[in-house]
Amino acid sequence: EAGVAQSPRYKIIEKRQSVAFWCNPISGHATLYWYQQILGQGPKLLIQFQNNGVVDDSQLPKDRFSAERLKGVDSTLKIQPAKLEDSAVYLCASSSQGGNTEAFFGQGTRLTVV
Amino acid sequence: GNSVTQMEGPVTLSEEAFLTINCTYTATGYPSLFWYVQYPGEGLQLLLKATKADDKGSNKGFEATYRKETTSFHLEKGSVQVSDSAVYFCALTLSGSARQLTFGSGTQLTVLP
Repeated sequence: EAGVAQSPRYKIIEKRQSVAFWCNPISGHATLYWYQQILGQGPKLLIQFQNNGVVDDSQLPKDRFSAERLKGVDSTLKIQPAKLEDSAVYLCASSSQGGNTEAFFGQGTRLTVV
Repeated sequence: GNSVTQMEGPVTLSEEAFLTINCTYTATGYPSLFWYVQYPGEGLQLLLKATKADDKGSNKGFEATYRKETTSFHLEKGSVQVSDSAVYFCALTLSGSARQLTFGSGTQLTVLP
């Protein structure tokens, strides 16, 4: 079974530029999460989708971050404009519906803003 | 709010040493508790979990017991190997919270041969 795929693996941009990350969850997984992991910290949830609807985006900085999950499968996370403090690893995870299910994580995209 | 506190690293051990990584939590309600592991260059992987008080999760020689009275979920292994070198994250999720994970800050473990 293929895991959660993310691209690109690494990205370096200048501040005020825009960037987009892509995630392809495990086939059939209805729930998709984006987490931000700043160096030395644990991952923090940015947004959660159930199919193509947003369940929780309360911690997403909406003035610069946006995310979508068209057709309830792939998802993109965008930052525009980027700030230095956005340097982090962006992790995508997915899980099937139902209680007590495991979340599977992708390898992440490491973003460096200079 | 909900939070997880892990012992700070890095932790360096010799092969076959005993490992303990402390984890305590604060939660409203009754959380499920997890340990995730992140090997170099790889994504987070679930190591073990426990869903109710006094449950013991175990996998690959690692164990952790859900202690409600001390709000703890300490990770232990009796004899570590070089291949256990990784970052370990304690995490919780609450029922009804759409399974969102709240993570601790992670503990870097290095095992020397």
